[in-house]
Amino acid sequence: KQEVTQIPAALSVPEGENLVLNCSFTDSAIYNLQWFRQDPGKGLTSLLLIQSSQREQTSGRLNASLDKSSGRSTLYIAASQPGDSATYLCAVRPWTSGSRLTFGEGTQLTVNP
Amino acid sequence: ETGVTQTPRHLVMGMTNKKSLKCEQHLGHNAMYWYKQSAKKPLELMFVYNFKEQTENNSVPSRFSPECPNSSHLFLHLHTLQPEDSALYLCASSQKTLGQDRSGANVLTFGAGSRLTVL
Repeated sequence: KQEVTQIPAALSVPEGENLVLNCSFTDSAIYNLQWFRQDPGKGLTSLLLIQSSQREQTSGRLNASLDKSSGRSTLYIAASQPGDSATYLCAVRPWTSGSRLTFGEGTQLTVNP
Repeated sequence: ETGVTQTPRHLVMGMTNKKSLKCEQHLGHNAMYWYKQSAKKPLELMFVYNFKEQTENNSVPSRFSPECPNSSHLFLHLHTLQPEDSALYLCASSQKTLGQDRSGANVLTFGAGSRLTVL
């Protein structure tokens, strides 16, 4: 059974810092891995999707990497801003899950001005 | 409106009430989903619909009854719920179901959610 773990559960940093969020998964048989952002009381916004054949994806100040063999992904946020404060979720789509994404519990990020 | 819209945003109900959550997508997608997000737990898939037909039910109790009258609208009918059913219920849509997508490029678009409290 696929399991997804995100470390740390919470992170507080001063504005301007570069930071890394971690995601690990137990089964490397995946189609893709996706990073989402969730603001308090809101739905999920897709940030980056990395196909299983890809190593990384970039969007603005965000860079996500995927190492399928070791079951790890990282989300790098450059020059963090208070507006980046949110919960970041990672999800994998296993080969055998039909339409089910397996989510981690998320990392709650606070960027202090 | 654009995107995925959910109503109501907040709902408080007693265990004997009957209520419904509504989801509407304006993206021209063919697949729609209900997810449940409980405190301190990962998101859980509940139901998947493709062109109005249910394609997946993730062993959801019968007190949750989905309805998909067309590919743009999805409802979740609630009846005789328990306090542990209190959660954020998220609707999502995609061009086709993830189960149909062999490319891995299909992306889910989520609504803002309906926060349900069962007393």
